[in-house]
Amino acid sequence: AQTVTQSQPEMSVQEAETVTLSCTYDTSESDYYLFWYKQPPSRQMILVIRQEAYKQQNATENRFSVNFQKAAKSFSLKISDSQLGDAAMYFCAYRSKGGSEKLVFGKGTKLTVNP
Amino acid sequence: DAGVIQSPRHEVTEMGQEVTLRCKPISGHNSLFWYRQTMMRGLELLIYFNNNVPIDDSGMPEDRFSAKMPNASFSTLKIQPSEPRDSAVYFCASSLRLARYEQFFGPGTRLTVL
Repeated sequence: AQTVTQSQPEMSVQEAETVTLSCTYDTSESDYYLFWYKQPPSRQMILVIRQEAYKQQNATENRFSVNFQKAAKSFSLKISDSQLGDAAMYFCAYRSKGGSEKLVFGKGTKLTVNP
Repeated sequence: DAGVIQSPRHEVTEMGQEVTLRCKPISGHNSLFWYRQTMMRGLELLIYFNNNVPIDDSGMPEDRFSAKMPNASFSTLKIQPSEPRDSAVYFCASSLRLARYEQFFGPGTRLTVL
């Protein structure tokens, strides 16, 4: 079974600075998807960014980018120019490509943005 | 698009009572998921449907939990009888299978069992 580990329960960053959230996963599959979801205090789950395992190029969405290291099974999220609205829980998630559609989530990292 | 709709948003009930959570997926989506979020266990899948058929219910905790999807636009998650350890946030999500696999989440139902 696949597992996802987020080793940083909490992180903080100054407004306008850059922060990196870590995620590692374990799988025997060669093709899969990885996601970062954001959960603000409203508890709505919002997709931040998606990476397809067969693509070597790291995904980027505006101020959000990932560092995907397939051999190391690492998938970190970098937030540049942090804003107060980025404060939230961030969850890393794994999804098989050919098998089950379910998302397997890490335990999350709580990000605080200091003004 | 209205997004995934869940009701109620909050539910407080007493132990032993029946609880029914409802979900309306995004129109056109053919996969529907029920997740539960707790402090101890995080976010975990309970069950998911594809084209209204249950595909994986391995996350359903026990027989007290049941889920149905009678048609493409409606699903229910029922707990009978409810217990205090069922207190959690329950999310419904939907996706269009084979379309980039993104799951869209509803706002969740916060369940408190006293």
